[in-house]
Amino acid sequence: NAGVMQNPRHLVRRRGQEARLRCSPMKGHSHVYWYRQLPEEGLKFMVYLQKENIIDESGMPKERFSAEFPKEGPSILRIQQVVRGDSAAYFCASSPGWDYNEQFFGPGTRLTVL
Amino acid sequence: DAKTTQPPSMDCAEGRAANLPCNHSTISGNEYVYWYRQIHSQGPQYIIHGLKNNETNEMASLIITEDRKSSTLILPHATLRDTAVYYCIVVSSGSARQLTFGSGTQLTVLP
Repeated sequence: NAGVMQNPRHLVRRRGQEARLRCSPMKGHSHVYWYRQLPEEGLKFMVYLQKENIIDESGMPKERFSAEFPKEGPSILRIQQVVRGDSAAYFCASSPGWDYNEQFFGPGTRLTVL
Repeated sequence: DAKTTQPPSMDCAEGRAANLPCNHSTISGNEYVYWYRQIHSQGPQYIIHGLKNNETNEMASLIITEDRKSSTLILPHATLRDTAVYYCIVVSSGSARQLTFGSGTQLTVLP
């Protein structure tokens, strides 16, 4: 059973470009969480999604950031018009349900904005 | 969710027990204590969780004080591969399990 997959693992963008980060949850998992880790800091929750629904986006910046988890395919975290401050590691995690004890994390996508 | 306080760093000799403390003095009755670790910028890994009873699994033991204001994660026989940042997280039951990671404790296991 493959773990959570994220791609790309490393992404370089210039200021003003768009970044698309993909997350494929573990098989059988319908709940996805996105976290951001700035350099030398702990992970910060961004958004929690179920298939086709955003459940909690309280940690998402109000502008330029969006997330989706369509019925088919991976979850996508989209950052429009990236700025240098968006440079960070973005992790996604999945679980079979909201009340499942463990979240399974992917390896992360490291975004560098030049 | 209650705030947690952990020492920023600890060392432990290989083969010895590593005891990682966590204070959560404002924890409420329906909040659980979770432990995750992050090895060298990889994705975090779940270790263990508990409400009020002590818990043990194949990775570690969790000791929660009777007043639930603090807890200790115990790695019984630390190995070099246990070098990581360990996060103690308090989570409210019934929540969407939004995890709030603090600064954690950098555990270094020394040969």
